Amino acid sequence: GDSVTQMEGPVTLSEEACLTINCTYTATGYPSLFWYVQYPGEGLQLLLKATKADDKGSNKGFEATYRKETTSFHLEKGSVQVSDSAVYFCALSSGGFQKLVFGTGTRLLVSP
Amino acid sequence: SAVISQKPSRDICQRGTSLTIQCQVDSQVTMMFWYRQQPGQSLTLIATANQGSEATYESGFVIDKFPISRPNLTFSTLTVSNMSPEDSSIYLCSVGTDRNTEAFFGQGTRLTVV
Repeated sequence: GDSVTQMEGPVTLSEEACLTINCTYTATGYPSLFWYVQYPGEGLQLLLKATKADDKGSNKGFEATYRKETTSFHLEKGSVQVSDSAVYFCALSSGGFQKLVFGTGTRLLVSP
Repeated sequence: SAVISQKPSRDICQRGTSLTIQCQVDSQVTMMFWYRQQPGQSLTLIATANQGSEATYESGFVIDKFPISRPNLTFSTLTVSNMSPEDSSIYLCSVGTDRNTEAFFGQGTRLTVV
């Protein structure tokens, strides 16, 4: 079945450092890919998405490119802030945007 | 967007008992889902809550253990029955208004079974 693998955390960075969180997937067909973020005490929020190969999703300075050849959707940000501290989930959907298969989540801790 | 209220936010329960989790949405939605997040694990889809009919369960989940109700387009409940410590997880409600729009999530219910 479909699956998502993402790097384990926590990832600890200083403010203004570069961030990459790796995500790879296994799926039949052509899934849509997502990054969700969960800030402390809050529910999951969609951060960005990409629906086909070579699409780039972007939001709040974060980017991820749908790479079909490497089955990857790595999350990147050039300069992280303390407010980016959260848990980040990579996910895919093969049949409609609402039914999701998630990775295990990666906790990001950014220190001043 | 949709605002989702999930209750309770957390609970500690005795093994062998049952807990019902409520999910209330501020607008009518087409799709409602229930997920489980076991400690250190992915979110896993339990079932799709269907309005007016029986829920559709994913492989590994059964109605006797996780009965689900959805009496209307804004409300659903998930019951965790005959609980054991292995049921200790975060349970999340998710909704969607359209197949091609994002899913929205509640804040989750953190369940501890002792």
